[in-house]
Amino acid sequence: EDKVVQSPLSLVVHEGDTVTLNCSYEVTNFRSLLWYKQEKKAPTFLFMLTSSGIEKKSGRLSSILDKKELFSILNITATQTGDSAVYLCASTSGTYKYIFGTGTRLKVLA
Amino acid sequence: GAVVSQHPSRVICKSGTSVKIECRSLDFQATTMFWYRQFPKKSLMLMATSNEGSKATYEQGVEKDKFLINHASLTLSTLTVTSAHPEDSSFYICSASTPGGGLEGYTFGSGTRLTVV
Repeated sequence: EDKVVQSPLSLVVHEGDTVTLNCSYEVTNFRSLLWYKQEKKAPTFLFMLTSSGIEKKSGRLSSILDKKELFSILNITATQTGDSAVYLCASTSGTYKYIFGTGTRLKVLA
Repeated sequence: GAVVSQHPSRVICKSGTSVKIECRSLDFQATTMFWYRQFPKKSLMLMATSNEGSKATYEQGVEKDKFLINHASLTLSTLTVTSAHPEDSSFYICSASTPGGGLEGYTFGSGTRLTVV
């Protein structure tokens, strides 16, 4: 059975801290791994990763994929209160189905 | 960019009634749409895959007679929660494949929060 597991489930940090969110996957016909940020409504797209070892960056956020060890990490540096959200990791399989992880709830304190 | 419009954003209904949620792709055709359900503090769970002009494919454990999905056109898919009960209260989200292929990820609708009282 396809599955995506995220850790930690929740995290509380202070502004300025750096956080690393983990996502491991076991998916048949793996196509890509995606990261989303979800606040009160639908998830917003952050990154899509298809190749191992190539870091993707967007401002203070970066992500990398390891297809050998079947995991990805999302890093957020110099966290701000606006980074507080649930971060979802999803893997797509050959059928273009998304399998979502449980999410990591991040809270950044001022 | 591609936009998926989902309505209503919030609905409260009485137990036993039916509720229809619409998901429209604006300015692009979506041959496949996905419907998800999310419980509080939990991840998105795929309910069904909706293909234009054919029957939806439901995930294991999802009652197809309770969650009716219709994808009658390339820009519209609907999810009807029939005979709703309080346990159906949840956040429902649709998504559609964006033009140019799936490598850019899918576009999500803004979600519908259903409360059954």
